[in-house]
Amino acid sequence: AQSVAQPEDQVNVAEGNPLTVKCTYSVSGNPYLFWYVQYPNRGLQFLLKYITGDNLVKGSYGFEAEFNKSQTSFHLKKPSALVSDSALYFCAVRADNNAGNMLTFGGGTRLMVKP
Amino acid sequence: DTEVTQTPKHLVMGMTNKKSLKCEQHMGHRAMYWYKQKAKKPPELMFVYSYEKLSINESVPSRFSPECPNSSLLNLHLHALQPEDSALYLCASSQEPGLRYNEQFFGPGTRLTVL
Repeated sequence: AQSVAQPEDQVNVAEGNPLTVKCTYSVSGNPYLFWYVQYPNRGLQFLLKYITGDNLVKGSYGFEAEFNKSQTSFHLKKPSALVSDSALYFCAVRADNNAGNMLTFGGGTRLMVKP
Repeated sequence: DTEVTQTPKHLVMGMTNKKSLKCEQHMGHRAMYWYKQKAKKPPELMFVYSYEKLSINESVPSRFSPECPNSSLLNLHLHALQPEDSALYLCASSQEPGLRYNEQFFGPGTRLTVL
């Protein structure tokens, strides 16, 4: 079984400040972890993923995420938030031994960046 | 071409109508997916096609009928839907079905309203 938790429904940040969107996961095998962003009335857009190797993953639009195996976390970060970063963010996981190849999403976190 | 397209963008149908949603990708991806997404919720997997064959059906009611005519096209046929089926329907694709670290590319979705 695999699951993802995003403990915050909403994160509020002032423009220019660093942001963190939290994600923890549970899988029976090794995890492949993904972050997606969704703007209103749009599909999901891939930001970054962790497969193996370096725990700090860099992605699109200045976002990065840190994989922490001991804490089973994969938090999304950005050093300086933009108003245009305001959107719905989903963390997702797939185990390397997932026979069904299914992606499990967290409940989503709404990021609000205020000018 | 690195995108997934979906038509129509919006669809309003009555409970007795028959309609179809269409999804297309020209990235050479061999896995294609249908998801249903309610407002402010994560996408819920409905169907997975691997190499044009249905590999996963997540206990979806028979009023939803998927079809994969070729490796680039995915259809979702709708018949006798219920108002609770109103949602954003997302199509996605990924490279090789067996490679679990591949990210999925999502289309913009079809906003379906059932009256």
